[in-house]
Amino acid sequence: AQTVTQSQPEMSVQEAETVTLSCTYDTSESDYYLFWYKQPPSRQMILVIRQEAYKQQNATENRFSVNFQKAAKSFSLKISDSQLGDAAMYFCAYRRGTTSGTYKYIFGTGTRLKVLA
Amino acid sequence: DGGITQSPKYLFRKEGQNVTLSCEQNLNHDAMYWYRQDPGQGLRLIYYSQIVNDFQKGDIAEGYSVSREKKESFPLTVTSAQKNPTAFYLCASSTVGQPSRQYFGPGTRLTVT
Repeated sequence: AQTVTQSQPEMSVQEAETVTLSCTYDTSESDYYLFWYKQPPSRQMILVIRQEAYKQQNATENRFSVNFQKAAKSFSLKISDSQLGDAAMYFCAYRRGTTSGTYKYIFGTGTRLKVLA
Repeated sequence: DGGITQSPKYLFRKEGQNVTLSCEQNLNHDAMYWYRQDPGQGLRLIYYSQIVNDFQKGDIAEGYSVSREKKESFPLTVTSAQKNPTAFYLCASSTVGQPSRQYFGPGTRLTVT
């Protein structure tokens, strides 16, 4: 069974600095998707970034980028130039590929990010 | 505007009563999901459905039931058999092909006393 592990329950970063959130996963599949979602105090889940496992290039969305290490089953999120609005819970998630027949998303337990002014 | 609606935002019930949480989407997505969120436990999958009139149990389905009579609707019933129903419930939908991502509703906070 697939699992997703976020080993950092809480992280802090100074405004304008860079922070990296860790995520590891376990799977025997070769085709899958990985995601980072942000949940601010409003509790609305917002997609931050997505990575397809077959793509070697790391995904980037403005100040957010990932370090995808497929062999190590690691998928960390780097936030550059941190802003106060980045403070939130961040969830790492995994979904099996379309050839697998099921479409369950598996979430980690989350990392609470605090941004210090 | 396309999206997912969940109502109400806050729901209060007495112990022993069944309660139904609504989830509606106008994104024309085939797949829909229900999650439960508790502090420190992330999102846990209750039920999911990939097509109308079909659904599968997730990891914590005991004490819950769902129906999928229409593509746009996936209501969740929290029954009196659910031992600890107080939680935040999130509904989501997604396409089943590429590109893959989930869209989430705003959630319902259920409190049972």
